[in-house]
Amino acid sequence: SYVLTQPPSVSVAPGKTARITCGGNNIGSKSVHWYQQKPGQAPVLVIYYDSDRPSGIPERFSGSNSGNTATLTISRVEAGDEADYYCQVWDSSSDHMVFGGGTKLTVL
Amino acid sequence: EVQLVESGGGLVQPGGSLRLSCAASGFTFSSYWMSWVRQAPGKGLEWVANIKQDGSEKYYVDSVKGRFTISRDNAKNSLYLQMNSLRAEDTAVYYCARAEYSSSSGNFDYWGQGTLVTVSS
Repeated sequence: SYVLTQPPSVSVAPGKTARITCGGNNIGSKSVHWYQQKPGQAPVLVIYYDSDRPSGIPERFSGSNSGNTATLTISRVEAGDEADYYCQVWDSSSDHMVFGGGTKLTVL
Repeated sequence: EVQLVESGGGLVQPGGSLRLSCAASGFTFSSYWMSWVRQAPGKGLEWVANIKQDGSEKYYVDSVKGRFTISRDNAKNSLYLQMNSLRAEDTAVYYCARAEYSSSSGNFDYWGQGTLVTVSS
C-alpha cells in the first residue's frame, strides 16, 4: 500500500514561514490534499489538488508537489495556525484513501 | 450550510457490535461519495471506508474488512457504519466525511464532529 511520510513536528516563530513536507514514492504524479486539525476539533481541508485553497482559507496557505515530496507552506505564521497537519492522497491502485502520519506545528 | 452529525458511539466490550449513523444536510446527499475516517486517541487520521453515491461500490481499509460494513440511505440522507467483532484497537473517534472525487483523486471536503467508540471490558 502507498505510504506517506511526514515529520512529526515543525516549529516556527510568529511571522515566519513554515514548511511541512509529505513524502511518497513519485507523489508528484498524484494529487495531494492537506488538512488542519486543532485540538478537540474535526479536520478542516486547507489545500486540495496540490495547491488550491477552499473558500475561507487564508492566502497564507499554499501548496506544491513535485517528485517525491509535497509541501504545505504557511507564510506569516500566526499563533492560531498551531495545529496538526495531515497530507492525504487517493491510491488508485487500491481505491484507498491514504493519510500521512501528521505533523504538529508549534508556533514559538 | 453543509452539516454532518454522527451518533451511535459508546462503550462496547471486545467482540461486540455497534452501529454508527451520520445525518447529512445542506447538500444533495445522493450526489456524493461518503466516508468514515477514524482517529485513535492521540494518534493520526485513518481512512476506514468509502461508499459510492448509489451504494454500488464500497471500499475498506484492510484492518476492518469482513468486520465493518458501510451503507447509506439516500432517502433519509443518512450514512451508516455497522461494526462487528470489535477490538480494542478499534477505539477511536469516528468521523463522517463527504468525499469529493474527480477522475484522478479524492479528498474530504466536509467533516462531522465525530463520535467516540471505546472498546473495552
